Amino acid sequence: DGGITQSPKYLFRKEGQNVTLSCEQNLNHDAMYWYRQDPGQGLRLIYYSQIVNDFQKGDIAEGYSVSREKKESFPLTVTSAQKNPTAFYLCASIARSRGGNTIYFGEGSWLTVV
Amino acid sequence: GQQVMQIPQYQHVQEGEDFTTYCNSSTTLSNIQWYKQRPGGHPVFLIQLVKSGEVKKQKRLTFQFGEAKKNSSLHITATQTTDVGTYFCAGNFGNEKLTFGTGTRLTIIP
Repeated sequence: DGGITQSPKYLFRKEGQNVTLSCEQNLNHDAMYWYRQDPGQGLRLIYYSQIVNDFQKGDIAEGYSVSREKKESFPLTVTSAQKNPTAFYLCASIARSRGGNTIYFGEGSWLTVV
Repeated sequence: GQQVMQIPQYQHVQEGEDFTTYCNSSTTLSNIQWYKQRPGGHPVFLIQLVKSGEVKKQKRLTFQFGEAKKNSSLHITATQTTDVGTYFCAGNFGNEKLTFGTGTRLTIIP
């Protein structure tokens, strides 16, 4: 199946630990994004990458890090510096066409700090 | 900063009534997109509007993009229980960085 795969779906982290959320796509899309969603709220951009080996900070990048060594993969690390990491994390990739861009989201990862 | 405001935050309607959610930006958008997120799910792309004054329809859903490309609306006619969810707009300011509105959560009273 083509699409975006996020793992794990549920993750518990102790305070002070780093965790890495996986995002893989087989859609051959250049651009990939990470968003954070808090309960009952909208999506806030953490990091985005328009091409391999390049990425930019979004609106709430502090306490997060990413890498883009392969086109298919855009992992997000939630570091211990992130003060309030409990949230729903969504990875997305973009299909570009003449008619415009379409975003495809993964199913998301729920991170809970215990 | 580049922000997209969306109202209302919540909307409860009787099944069969109409529903509208609105998005506004302080600056001109290059395009705007609409998404639907079912409870417990992930956002799903509905449509993209690019041209000034553009109107697009998908069955009972009507999407509009303002003449100044600063506002947009999504209107659902005769809501059904399957319409339940949160509807988000997302504005593109021309820098490949989509900015999402806060969403409108729609609940349907049977």
